[in-house]
Amino acid sequence: EVQLVESGGGLVQPGGSLKLSCAASGFTFSGSAMHWVRQASGKGLEWVGRIRSKANSYATAYAASVKGRFTISRDDSKNTAYLQMNSLKTEDTAVYYCTRPDTAMGTAFDIWGQGTMVTVSS
Amino acid sequence: EIVLTQSPGTLSLSPGERATLSCRASQSVSSSYLAWYQQKPGQAPRLLIYGASSRATGIPDRFSGSGSGTDFTLTISRLEPEDFAVYYCQQGYTFGQGTKLEIK
Repeated sequence: EVQLVESGGGLVQPGGSLKLSCAASGFTFSGSAMHWVRQASGKGLEWVGRIRSKANSYATAYAASVKGRFTISRDDSKNTAYLQMNSLKTEDTAVYYCTRPDTAMGTAFDIWGQGTMVTVSS
Repeated sequence: EIVLTQSPGTLSLSPGERATLSCRASQSVSSSYLAWYQQKPGQAPRLLIYGASSRATGIPDRFSGSGSGTDFTLTISRLEPEDFAVYYCQQGYTFGQGTKLEIK
């Protein structure tokens, strides 16, 4: 079964750090780019960042709102992507989804995890 | 930076009716990279349409996409009760703000 499972969410104080994980199964993880998308309560979808495959030099890109604070990495041996979040702000409170673009579908995200909730509050 | 504007913000219709949702880009975009998603409360988004007009696997044929350049449309031919949800268009790293389709 094709699946993405996020973990690592929780409550953190402003200025704190948190690391999310995204475990993949059922597809060739090492050949896929992986993206993170977040959604604040009652709001729309916001792209956070992505990491490309080894063949594309593990290139990363980030939204302006998180650049310099968030870092995406991956461990292909564990079929897992990570989102390291530092200097967290209250406005980072959201459900965080990992997702995979299918290159045969342009950049459409065909696989999504269930999401993990991050709450930044004192 | 491309901005995607969806309209209307909320659409109130009855089951069996036809729904037409719009997504307008701030500049011309490639149809190959325009996608539509459905999201229900408490669930992750689900891919409906990619490449502006191709249905994703398992998506009923009552869902169709069209458009090019800056104007794209998602049409649901006959609404089923399970179709009432929020719909997002996406191009590259940008999502529209969503259209909520609610039961009238």
